[in-house]
Amino acid sequence: DTAVSQTPKYLVTQMGNDKSIKCEQNLGHDTMYWYKQDSKKFLKIMFSYNNKELIINETVPNRFSPKSPDKAHLNLHINSLELGDSAVYFCASSGIGGLPTDTQYFGPGTRLTVL
Amino acid sequence: AQKITQTQPGMFVQEKEAVTLDCTYDTSDPSYGLFWYKQPSSGEMIFLIYQGSYDQQNATEGRYSLNFQKARKSANLVISASQLGDSAMYFCAMRVRRGGADGLTFGKGTHLIIQP
Repeated sequence: DTAVSQTPKYLVTQMGNDKSIKCEQNLGHDTMYWYKQDSKKFLKIMFSYNNKELIINETVPNRFSPKSPDKAHLNLHINSLELGDSAVYFCASSGIGGLPTDTQYFGPGTRLTVL
Repeated sequence: AQKITQTQPGMFVQEKEAVTLDCTYDTSDPSYGLFWYKQPSSGEMIFLIYQGSYDQQNATEGRYSLNFQKARKSANLVISASQLGDSAMYFCAMRVRRGGADGLTFGKGTHLIIQP
């Protein structure tokens, strides 16, 4: 069984479009995250959600908005896509929030290409 | 602010040799966790090993061990008896306690290539 899943795996779209990436975890975790991996493979946290509450927004443009319908899902909506948004986006989840010991488990990633 | 430094952009190692991937970190928080992840060419992020800042012993997971030197703020990953399948990007990451759920701070990674 897949622990953290993302759809779609690949997303190719035109500049200016609006798109969403879905993430689901079946680990019973209460915290979920979105990371962006750029073309140089650098990973950076974008958002984290704990009990449906946004915990972190690391200076991400407000064109990006996470939406969590329930504890098992954290979707990423992106409006007015720009060329610089092309990257691989990873969803992750972890157990009890606030403890640094909780391992984060990652989804397979979504490769977004903006043309 | 937290920072992770991986000084080896790339490494070539002969199969069956041991490998040490370097990682140094910087934080003023006393409570933190250090993680290593593997990213093969297929792209997924695979958790390898974890070390807590208060752990007295170095973590080990199969062929992976973490050489934790707190005073030097280093958390090097050691892979024993390397295999061809170990070829991948390896990321060191840190998470600190800030009263809520915090994301990982990653290093830039080391691209490890195991040669037959």
